[in-house]
Amino acid sequence: QSALTQPASVSGSPGQSITISCTGTSSDVGDYNYVSWYQQHSGTAPKLMIYDVTNRPSGVSNRFSGSKSANTASLTISGLQAEDEADYYCASYTRSNTWVFGGGTKLTVL
Amino acid sequence: QVQLVESGGGLVKPGGSLRLSCAASGFTFSDYYMSWIRQAPGKGLEWVSYISSSGNTIYYADSVKGRFTISRDNVKHLLYLQMNSLRAEDTAIYYCARLRYSGSYIAFDIWGQGTMVTVSS
Repeated sequence: QSALTQPASVSGSPGQSITISCTGTSSDVGDYNYVSWYQQHSGTAPKLMIYDVTNRPSGVSNRFSGSKSANTASLTISGLQAEDEADYYCASYTRSNTWVFGGGTKLTVL
Repeated sequence: QVQLVESGGGLVKPGGSLRLSCAASGFTFSDYYMSWIRQAPGKGLEWVSYISSSGNTIYYADSVKGRFTISRDNVKHLLYLQMNSLRAEDTAIYYCARLRYSGSYIAFDIWGQGTMVTVSS
């Protein structure tokens, strides 16, 4: 199972919006609405930010949103804040009843 | 509060074995699927294995199949990962994670702090 494809890095200024893409195949991202996104600050455990493509867990800011089109899912962060600087990972359930993560995207807030 | 605490990591020689544990608290452990996810130094996340709430359904990543065994004790609220025939490429932080697996919520919603496993001679 190959990792989902994410850009290695993205950047934006405070207040701006950024989007991180996550490209898979018709056997994972394209086949299920079970894409989730995780935020990981340096030296800490990942935190769930989006589940089932578009849903936010309780306590996650509404500045975070998710979407999907065909084999590509996206995470959008609006009103960028310094605290958003972190690594972001997507994950998808697969047709093999396994899970696959993306390679991760480093977000820099300029 | 809801918490997962891993233990058992350490330094092991190639070909050796190690058993990781994950202690769950603050929720009904027997109601949830559980998973192990690892992260090699400076690298991304890699899903390793998951186990159903009853323990009857188990899946592994190809990279660990035949070498690692996931199990759980619903009485003691513990998740385990038995790792055999360890290789240098198994060096990573190993995270225990709760896997929400209902029809309307499928994701790793709670994570432990991780335990480091180093495979080196």
